[in-house]
Amino acid sequence: AQSVTQPDIHITVSEGASLELRCNYSYGATPYLFWYVQSPGQGLQLLLKYFSGDTLVQGIKGFEAEFKRSQSSFNLRKPSVHWSDAAEYFCAVGAKGNNDMRFGAGTRLTVKP
Amino acid sequence: NAGVTQTPKFQVLKTGQSMTLQCAQDMNHEYMSWYRQDPGMGLRLIHYSVGAGITDQGEVPNGYNVSRSTTEDFPLRLLSAAPSQTSVYFCASSTLAGSSYEQYFGPGTRLTVT
Repeated sequence: AQSVTQPDIHITVSEGASLELRCNYSYGATPYLFWYVQSPGQGLQLLLKYFSGDTLVQGIKGFEAEFKRSQSSFNLRKPSVHWSDAAEYFCAVGAKGNNDMRFGAGTRLTVKP
Repeated sequence: NAGVTQTPKFQVLKTGQSMTLQCAQDMNHEYMSWYRQDPGMGLRLIHYSVGAGITDQGEVPNGYNVSRSTTEDFPLRLLSAAPSQTSVYFCASSTLAGSSYEQYFGPGTRLTVT
């Protein structure tokens, strides 16, 4: 069964600094990978997804993620964080032909002014 | 186009009570699912459905029932609420056509069982 690990429970960065959120997955076949963001009291919004092709994917709000098969990772990055990026971020893995997804425990991002 | 809607937003139950969380989508999506979100555990799949009349269990199905009589609606029933079911519940939907696999989430229902 697929699983996802987000090693960092909470990260604090200064506004304008760069950001990298880590995600490691476990899955036997080619995974479908997703990053979602959840603002306080809200549902989840898709930031970006990877199915195949170019391993560097661009998403909304200036986020990007890189798929590294050799490291079983799909880390999320942003070059310059804005105060509005403070939220909880979830990495998820799915499988081809199966809409079920497994989510990581989430990383809470705090942005310092 | 309202997307995925959930009612109620908040609910408090006593142990042993039953209730139904409602979920509806207007995107004609075949796939619908229910997740629960608990601190430090991310989202865990409770039940899902790939079309009207078809449902299946996810990771944590015990204590919950679902049915799918129409494409639009996917209610989640708590048969006899327990404090361990205190959580935030999210409904999601996606199309099975093509290879999108993107799930659209509702705003959530915060349930407290005392």
